[in-house]
Amino acid sequence: QVQLVESGGGVVQPGRSLRLSCAASGFTFSSYAMHWVRQAPGKGLEWVAVISSDGSNKYYADSVKGRFTISRDNSQNTLYLQMNSLRAEDTAVYYCARIPGDWDAFDIWGRGTMVTVSS
Amino acid sequence: SSELTQDPAVSVALGQTVRITCQGDSLRSYYASWYQQKPGQAPVLVIYGKNNRPSGIPDRFSGSSSGNTASLTITGAQAEDEADYYCNSRDTSSNHNYVFGTGTKVTVL
Repeated sequence: QVQLVESGGGVVQPGRSLRLSCAASGFTFSSYAMHWVRQAPGKGLEWVAVISSDGSNKYYADSVKGRFTISRDNSQNTLYLQMNSLRAEDTAVYYCARIPGDWDAFDIWGRGTMVTVSS
Repeated sequence: SSELTQDPAVSVALGQTVRITCQGDSLRSYYASWYQQKPGQAPVLVIYGKNNRPSGIPDRFSGSSSGNTASLTITGAQAEDEADYYCNSRDTSSNHNYVFGTGTKVTVL
């Protein structure tokens, strides 16, 4: 069964850091580019970052560039999002998702993990 | 970065047809994909590419595109189709990045 499971969310003060994880199973993780997408409470979806299948290329939304770092460990089938200098506007559910190379669409999503940035 | 604009809300009578549109410059270069999201759940892909449905998606969902506008049509809407729908494409300002539409709330009457 193809599955993505996020973890690591929680309540954190502004300016602090948090690392999210996404555990993949049921498919060859190392063959897929992986993404993070977030959704603020009551708001729409926002693409956050992508990492290539081998981890050599990474791209970010302007809203998180310089503060967030996406990474992966293909030996552990795990995707990460290191979030530094957190702001109130980073409060959201964070989803990991994959795109099959020839689809250009997010075909598998995790259930998400909630991050709340508040003092 | 690119923007994708959707109508905030539409309603449809049970069994009737509804079309949801998505407008943006990126759609002149890239196909849109469409996602259904129900409250408290992760999005689910319903249409991708020219007009492709993932396994398990009913054939009442279809997609089309013309110029800078992509459309998702639900033919014979069912009660379970009530949800938020988002379009998505690559971002023309950086084709490694992606952009989502503003979302449309579909109510089935």
